[in-house]
Amino acid sequence: QSALTQPRSVSGSPGQSVTISCTGTSSDVGGYNYVSWYQQHPGKAPKLIIYDVTKRPSGVPDRFSGSKSGNTASLTISGLQAEDDANYYCCSFAGRYTFVFGGGTTLTVL
Amino acid sequence: QVQLVQSGAEVKTPGASVKVSCKASGYTFNSHDINWVRQATGQGPEWMGWMKPDNGDSGYAQKFQGRVTLTRNTSISTAYMELSSLRSEDTAVYYCARMGLGGDPPFDYWGQGTPVTVSS
Repeated sequence: QSALTQPRSVSGSPGQSVTISCTGTSSDVGGYNYVSWYQQHPGKAPKLIIYDVTKRPSGVPDRFSGSKSGNTASLTISGLQAEDDANYYCCSFAGRYTFVFGGGTTLTVL
Repeated sequence: QVQLVQSGAEVKTPGASVKVSCKASGYTFNSHDINWVRQATGQGPEWMGWMKPDNGDSGYAQKFQGRVTLTRNTSISTAYMELSSLRSEDTAVYYCARMGLGGDPPFDYWGQGTPVTVSS
């Protein structure tokens, strides 16, 4: 499986919104509603922030939202805050208990 | 609270094997699958495989078939990942990650990571 495609970097000012895309194929993103997103700060383990395309685990602010259209999933962060400055990774179920991750997007809060 | 605590950093020579442990606490170990993910510096995570603690069943990403073995010791709530025939490209941080009940949500809790360096 090839890694899912994400933009290398995005940026935004505090209070603004940004959207990160995640493009796969009909064998992963497009084939299942099992896309998840992870936030990772330097030197830390990834943290789950979105699963099943649109669901948020308890404790994750509703500023984080997910969506999907065809083979592309998206993560939107509204009302940017300084602590959102991190790397973000998408992940998709790819059938037969396999998963594929994206290459990651660095979000810079200006 | 759910915790996954991994063993410490490892330095190995090419051709050797490494075994990383992941001790679970704060939940019923047998009820949640454990997956393993690795991440090279500056790269995205790479999924390696899964293991069901209740019966020991496991499955692996095609890339690692024949080189990785996932096991567990239920008496001490610990999962293990062993990777053999190490090469320099295996240098990465290795994470264990718990799956939610029934596999949903995926990777809801992660270990702190175990750096593995492969160098001659």
